[in-house]
Amino acid sequence: DAGVIQSPRHEVTEMGQEVTLRCKPISGHNSLFWYRQTMMRGLELLIYFNNNVPIDDSGMPEDRFSAKMPNASFSTLKIQPSEPRDSAVYFCASSFLRNTGGYTFGSGTRLTVV
Amino acid sequence: DQQVKQNSPSLSVQEGRISILNCDYTNSMFDYFLWYKKYPAEGPTFLISISSIKDKNEDGRFTVFLNKSAKHLSLHIVPSQPGDSAVYFCAAPTGRRALTFGSGTRLQVQP
Repeated sequence: DAGVIQSPRHEVTEMGQEVTLRCKPISGHNSLFWYRQTMMRGLELLIYFNNNVPIDDSGMPEDRFSAKMPNASFSTLKIQPSEPRDSAVYFCASSFLRNTGGYTFGSGTRLTVV
Repeated sequence: DQQVKQNSPSLSVQEGRISILNCDYTNSMFDYFLWYKKYPAEGPTFLISISSIKDKNEDGRFTVFLNKSAKHLSLHIVPSQPGDSAVYFCAAPTGRRALTFGSGTRLQVQP
């Protein structure tokens, strides 16, 4: 298995533009997580899905952020409109069980909003 | 409110010496703790875990200690190697939520 695949690896965009981050989880994993890493707050959970259904989106910063998981092999995180404070590294992770150490993370997308 | 806290943003040790990374938590109901390791430009990877019914778990050079009365856990690396230089995160499953991570400690092992 190629692991969790995220794209793009780097994204530079102008303030106000729409940004879409993509994630392909490991086949067979039924939980998918979006995290954001910043210097100040470390790794923050944004949202997670179980069997393609959003379970907890309380970490989503505001309505500008949305996430979808149309099927078991694909998820997107969209920011519209983007702002400079959204600049961070966004990680996607997947696992078979939500609360174990079996999270496999992707390599992340480094987002820079100028 | 951060339920899992790492108060030391960085740590520097000499190769061969012991590295001790610390983590505090606020919720006494946590029953499981994990440590993840992260290299630059990579995602975090699972390192070691401990159940709340234990006070110690060892895996090679890595040992995690849990002090439930103090709500504190620590990761010991002995002996430290330059390849251990990375950011270390402690984490816990917080009820209905997924894993909650601390803010991380950057370890630098000097040759």
